[in-house]
Amino acid sequence: DIQLTQSPSSLSASVGDRVTITCRASEDISKSLLWFQQRPGKAPRSLIYAASTLLTGVPAKFSGSGSRTDFTLTITSLQPEDFATYYCQQYYTFPYTFGQGTKLEIK
Amino acid sequence: QVQLVQSGAEVKKPGASVKVSCKASGYTFTSYYIHWVRQAPGQGHEWVGWIHPNSGRTNYGKKFQGRVTMTRDMSISTAYMELSGLTSDDTAVYYCARENDASGYYGYWGQGTLVSVSS
Repeated sequence: DIQLTQSPSSLSASVGDRVTITCRASEDISKSLLWFQQRPGKAPRSLIYAASTLLTGVPAKFSGSGSRTDFTLTITSLQPEDFATYYCQQYYTFPYTFGQGTKLEIK
Repeated sequence: QVQLVQSGAEVKKPGASVKVSCKASGYTFTSYYIHWVRQAPGQGHEWVGWIHPNSGRTNYGKKFQGRVTMTRDMSISTAYMELSGLTSDDTAVYYCARENDASGYYGYWGQGTLVSVSS
């Protein structure tokens, strides 16, 4: 199975800050990477697919980049609603696998 | 708008089975794969499998083969995931998720169903 390693596992930031989260795959997954956001008790929300394409309705403050094994998610101008846990997921091959998550907390 | 609404929380005894539903609306149910993913407390996400609602074809993760059955009822646009032989390790929130296109990424998620297994 493909392993996805996210870093950092947690991150403290202030409102208005810019943050970057990385996701490294154990093998080449081309650009078949999804980033999603999860708040406690809420449904996950998909943000970016194909490593860098925003889903409809996702604000441009979210951006993604990368290919093959190294990927990043950047969030600019942090707002209170952005403080959540972010996950990467590969859909290149079955079984789909997930990163362990990055918890973004308010400083 | 696309919605996936899952059934409510379940409490089961070890050895029992659980059946979770995922009712779809806002799109043509038979056109998109539905996946099931679970997240145990404090753990990562784990892919369980998928079903294509039109054909009923399924694909299960190796870990779950022999214990999971995914079905659908096209008349009410609902997908089901049944897991048998429950143990405490199956305690988790189970999510359904819909693929957005042929590439396989999830565009929409259900709200999750907590399945608790305890004697």
